[in-house]
Amino acid sequence: QKEVEQDPGPLSVPEGAIVSLNCTYSNSAFQYFMWYRQYSRKGPELLMYTYSSGNKEDGRFTAQVDKSSKYISLFIRDSQPSDSATYLCAMTGMDSSYKLIFGSGTRLLVRP
Amino acid sequence: DAGITQSPRHKVTETGTPVTLRCHQTENHRYMYWYRQDPGHGLRLIHYSYGVKDTDKGEVSDGYSVSRSKTEDFLLTLESATSSQTSVYFCAISTGTGRRNTEAFFGQGTRLTVV
Repeated sequence: QKEVEQDPGPLSVPEGAIVSLNCTYSNSAFQYFMWYRQYSRKGPELLMYTYSSGNKEDGRFTAQVDKSSKYISLFIRDSQPSDSATYLCAMTGMDSSYKLIFGSGTRLLVRP
Repeated sequence: DAGITQSPRHKVTETGTPVTLRCHQTENHRYMYWYRQDPGHGLRLIHYSYGVKDTDKGEVSDGYSVSRSKTEDFLLTLESATSSQTSVYFCAISTGTGRRNTEAFFGQGTRLTVV
């Protein structure tokens, strides 16, 4: 079993829709949770960062962490065609020597 | 861009040959990482470095070695390339400063094909 599970998609939504992307994990030591966005043939770029449980909002993006359920989510409001990309969750804990563990990524397509 | 340059960007090599990929940073960040990305597997850590001459293995280190003789350069060597090492390789850096150490900046990637 992988430490981090993520549905690969693809997830296809119409422009303006609310998108929900999710990851589950098994290691209860994870404390830092991140979402990266990766456009085709580019390197991943950090989108959102959350420490421990709770919500964090940045513009159209909201990251949620539920440590009791070992479940994290990224919500995108008013989705745009430019949001079409692969979204990777990543996480680490203080006992992980700062190694990021990534999900396999969810491919999102926002249709105009 | 976070000041990370990977070279070469594309390479085709033959089975059994050694290959070295280079990652160069201008940010003076302490931590450097090599990942490979394959369909269905996401990003998997090969090796990482937490300082000059200080390196450690990741989850898929077999068949790879690394060296870091200067802060700015982190080299990944495939000792004897195999077709299973055909992949996209990403270098990443992070600051190593408290909580913000978890924020990694990635290079543009190197597409390696082993024939």
